[in-house]
Amino acid sequence: DAGITQSPRHKVTETGTPVTLRCHQTENHRYMYWYRQDPGHGLRLIHYSYGVKDTDKGEVSDGYSVSRSKTEDFLLTLESATSSQTSVYFCAISEVRGGSPLHFGNGTRLTVT
Amino acid sequence: DQQVKQNSPSLSVQEGRISILNCDYTNSMFDYFLWYKKYPAEGPTFLISISSIKDKNEDGRFTVFLNKSAKHLSLHIVPSQPGDSAVYFCAATRVGNTPLVFGKGTRLSVIA
Repeated sequence: DAGITQSPRHKVTETGTPVTLRCHQTENHRYMYWYRQDPGHGLRLIHYSYGVKDTDKGEVSDGYSVSRSKTEDFLLTLESATSSQTSVYFCAISEVRGGSPLHFGNGTRLTVT
Repeated sequence: DQQVKQNSPSLSVQEGRISILNCDYTNSMFDYFLWYKKYPAEGPTFLISISSIKDKNEDGRFTVFLNKSAKHLSLHIVPSQPGDSAVYFCAATRVGNTPLVFGKGTRLSVIA
């Protein structure tokens, strides 16, 4: 198991509230990613980071922001949660960009009511 | 536009037989392909990969075949076991460039 911890594992929140999900790694990998998994959509990239303070958008970045102030931590923030953001969120890490497997955390199940 | 397609949402196979999962891609720049396996309430786990310089890669019961001209890859599991029942995701990338792009997944059920 790659050393990836996601917190919380489950969260229920109300529409309009801010939510922050945390990903912590102990592998010292440069690259970190946030994906969401939804039925019928598979895994879709939200944002990724290629170093401390270096981030970029993925295909479904609207409504999300990220921050990476330390190599080991990558935060995903929903500024004002909506029901369409109900999903399972996975953090992943990799040593290189493309060309090596991603290792995933066990996910955070977020429900927005 | 979906760059990685898994057109079969589900597949059922009897224990001991071969499971074949298929994946198509549209981006000709992709040169590295991976398969992931996912159990409920867990993160996806890496299964096997293949570079575009190869057309086959084997790891135990798992073999991935790549047909670049058809932009198609497949995962063969022989023999299939009940513990192989999971969702399988195909993914693709360009080495040194893009993050992984995933297909929608195929749910494999291996029936004892």
